[in-house]
Amino acid sequence: TQLLEQSPQFLSIQEGENLTVYCNSSSVFSSLQWYRQEPGEGPVLLVTVVTGGEVKKLKRLTFQFGDARKDSSLHITAAQPGDTGLYLCAGPGGNNRLAFGKGNQVVVIP
Amino acid sequence: DTAVSQTPKYLVTQMGNDKSIKCEQNLGHDTMYWYKQDSKKFLKIMFSYNNKELIINETVPNRFSPKSPDKAHLNLHINSLELGDSAVYFCASSQVLEGTRLFGAGTRLSVL
Repeated sequence: TQLLEQSPQFLSIQEGENLTVYCNSSSVFSSLQWYRQEPGEGPVLLVTVVTGGEVKKLKRLTFQFGDARKDSSLHITAAQPGDTGLYLCAGPGGNNRLAFGKGNQVVVIP
Repeated sequence: DTAVSQTPKYLVTQMGNDKSIKCEQNLGHDTMYWYKQDSKKFLKIMFSYNNKELIINETVPNRFSPKSPDKAHLNLHINSLELGDSAVYFCASSQVLEGTRLFGAGTRLSVL
């Protein structure tokens, strides 16, 4: 089973600051997905990255897939309280499974 | 609205009781799942069904029994509930087995 390690586990920042969270593995993934889970809701897909070195932007969120396709990062510019949530990365883990990391809990303080 | 919907949203019950959670998707997806999210927010796969056939059955006590009457429904029945079963249970669906998941809003189960 391929494992995804997410760091930091918990991050609290002030509104307007920038932040970066990471998703790392020792295995190569054909693609990685990022989800955001808000309190009381299920995870919602933000983006899928497929190509090594790929960068995708979603408003103030920038996702990067590592060149070797073993890691990914999510950078948030000028964080807003609405960015608060649990960010989960996931990738095909073999045996018809989608492996999830344990998540980055982000809290943006107004 | 196209979605994955699960009921109930909240379930509070006594130890030893039997309860069911229902899930339905109107997306035409072939694959449905049940996940358990514990207090540390770790999302763990429990079951996966593809075209009504059980594909994945992780190490889950046999008190948990999924049932898929058709492709659009995957229900979860839990017998003899225990304190450790308290968690949030998510239903999800996808077009393919390793594909993007669409999650329901979750069922928060509290066993007293």
